Amino acid sequence: KAGVTQTPRYLIKTRGQQVTLSCSPISGHRSVSWYQQTPGQGLQFLFEYFSETQRNKGNFPGRFSGRQFSNSRSEMNVSTLELGDSALYLCASVKRGESDTQYFGPGTRLTVL
Amino acid sequence: AQTVTQSQPEMSVQEAETVTLSCTYDTSESDYYLFWYKQPPSRQMILVIRQEAYKQQNATENRFSVNFQKAAKSFSLKISDSQLGDAAMYFCAYRSLNQAGTALIFGKGTTLSVSS
Repeated sequence: KAGVTQTPRYLIKTRGQQVTLSCSPISGHRSVSWYQQTPGQGLQFLFEYFSETQRNKGNFPGRFSGRQFSNSRSEMNVSTLELGDSALYLCASVKRGESDTQYFGPGTRLTVL
Repeated sequence: AQTVTQSQPEMSVQEAETVTLSCTYDTSESDYYLFWYKQPPSRQMILVIRQEAYKQQNATENRFSVNFQKAAKSFSLKISDSQLGDAAMYFCAYRSLNQAGTALIFGKGTTLSVSS
């Protein structure tokens, strides 16, 4: 069974631009979560989608948004990029049951110049 | 709000030896899940082990085991017979059952190095 896939793997953007990251969950997983990982703040929860609905949201500004499609694929968008948005963005899909364990993708490394 | 603390930023161990990584958490909840994830240099987060708070028995996965002390809010990870491939950053994570969804709260991580 294929794992969680994220595209692109690397991105370089400049301040003020916007960016869209994509995540395809493991087949059969209907829930997708997004996390931001930085050296200073560590791993922080962004949001979670289940059946195309946002189920939970972390403490991030409105510049960070997401959505989920009917095939469970998810995208997250960051508008008006700031230098501090440089991070590894991780997507995780959830297997219901088994403690709702999250299985992570390889991440997208975003660099904002 | 719940918090997770990993007090050891770095640890080292020799091959074939045993190492224990510490994790404490703060919560007022009685039901929750705890996880250990491993993040090697490739940056792919890999689930190592999970523990349901209602289970008194400590979870075990091959060379990995936990010491779950609910009253002390402690959740340490023991790696036996350490291998070079165990070198990675290890994150302890908490999941509340009193929330919509499955969001995890992570500790800051412990970098484990393994020497031959």
